[in-house]
Amino acid sequence: DAGITQSPRYKITETGRQVTLMCHQTWSHSYMFWYRQDLGHGLRLIYYSAAADITDKGEVPDGYVVSRSKTENFPLTLESATRSQTSVYFCASSLEVAGGNEQFFGPGTRLTVL
Amino acid sequence: GQNIDQPTEMTATEGAIVQINCTYQTSGFNGLFWYQQHAGEAPTFLSYNVLDGLEEKGRFSSFLSRSKGYSYLLLKELQMKDSASYLCAVLDSNYQLIWGAGTKLIIKP
Repeated sequence: DAGITQSPRYKITETGRQVTLMCHQTWSHSYMFWYRQDLGHGLRLIYYSAAADITDKGEVPDGYVVSRSKTENFPLTLESATRSQTSVYFCASSLEVAGGNEQFFGPGTRLTVL
Repeated sequence: GQNIDQPTEMTATEGAIVQINCTYQTSGFNGLFWYQQHAGEAPTFLSYNVLDGLEEKGRFSSFLSRSKGYSYLLLKELQMKDSASYLCAVLDSNYQLIWGAGTKLIIKP
């Protein structure tokens, strides 16, 4: 089925471990985004990508690494997980960022860092 | 800094009308989005405004005043399935979305 998927949907890990969250979209959208959503906060942009091999920092990039070797995939890695990174992570994609192009969101990954 | 304010929670009755307000102060403005997010699910697009005025889409309408830094989402003929959080987001000068914390709408029968 076409769409945007994330895996895993739920993850529990320990402080200091490396974790990778996967995101895959089948629309060939140019732009992809990673957000985190915490209670009392709006969605906060971690990293985004305008095309394969082009990535840039968002509002809260510290402690995260991204790559985009293929248009359809945009993995997010927590190099050494901390408790403050416990959150719900959403991946999104859009055709363009201008002109009212909406962002389509994946189902989210709920990450708990113990 | 950039700031988007919306009420934390609102309650309304099934069949009624509710207006959810959003005020913003951002570095630049390239449009304002409203998204709906049911508990435990992903946000989904509702509307986009870039010019002043009202955009109507079925039971949902969205209004924008750029000079006042203000928008509202109007929901008519409320249904129980409209119970959700409503997120206001502004596309800033860097074409990044700045999000409000969301308004949780509770619908009572």
